[in-house]
Amino acid sequence: DAGITQSPRHKVTETGTPVTLRCHQTENHRYMYWYRQDPGHGLRLIHYSYGVKDTDKGEVSDGYSVSRSKTEDFLLTLESATSSQTSVYFCAISARRQGAGYGYTFGSGTRLTVV
Amino acid sequence: DAKTTQPNSMESNEEEPVHLPCNHSTISGTDYIHWYRQLPSQGPEYVIHGLTSNVNNRMASLAIAEDRKSSTLILHRATLRDAAVYYCIPTIAPGNTPLVFGKGTRLSVIA
Repeated sequence: DAGITQSPRHKVTETGTPVTLRCHQTENHRYMYWYRQDPGHGLRLIHYSYGVKDTDKGEVSDGYSVSRSKTEDFLLTLESATSSQTSVYFCAISARRQGAGYGYTFGSGTRLTVV
Repeated sequence: DAKTTQPNSMESNEEEPVHLPCNHSTISGTDYIHWYRQLPSQGPEYVIHGLTSNVNNRMASLAIAEDRKSSTLILHRATLRDAAVYYCIPTIAPGNTPLVFGKGTRLSVIA
């Protein structure tokens, strides 16, 4: 599987502060995604990217921005964190699997708490 | 996106086979059926996917109904490590369309 790492793994921040989460991949895949997961809602798509400087909104994009200035990094920014953004954030890439079309690989997640 | 219906939870004994059902009656002719699972405190991981024919890999088997309105993920011998939430996800192509997750089925495995 492609190497995909998220940082930080855990973060506590105060309401109103900006926060940036990083997703880093090591194998030059074009498509990257950010999801959030909350109890009772499952995983919901925030933003995704289909190449450097090419991004699009997902289901729950309000309050979030993203940037992809190089292939390997996809950054998710909360411009002014709110308590409703307390969640677990997952990054994913899609990559061709040997003999099996494409599959999606997820990072280990970032647990963000906004107090 | 095609709507899916999965049981909220299922239980299995260790080393027994498990059949996890999914109804996707609104699936389009070009949708593939993906299965992912999420172990506790981890991100989802790919299990298997198929279009029309049954599929097997080292993790599981996927049985797809002839009318494609339902599918079944088969774990041949459940282990404690298989306890997870299993998601059935129809998607346009096994390519780069974002996955849309439902609530999935929480599988418990009893030793």
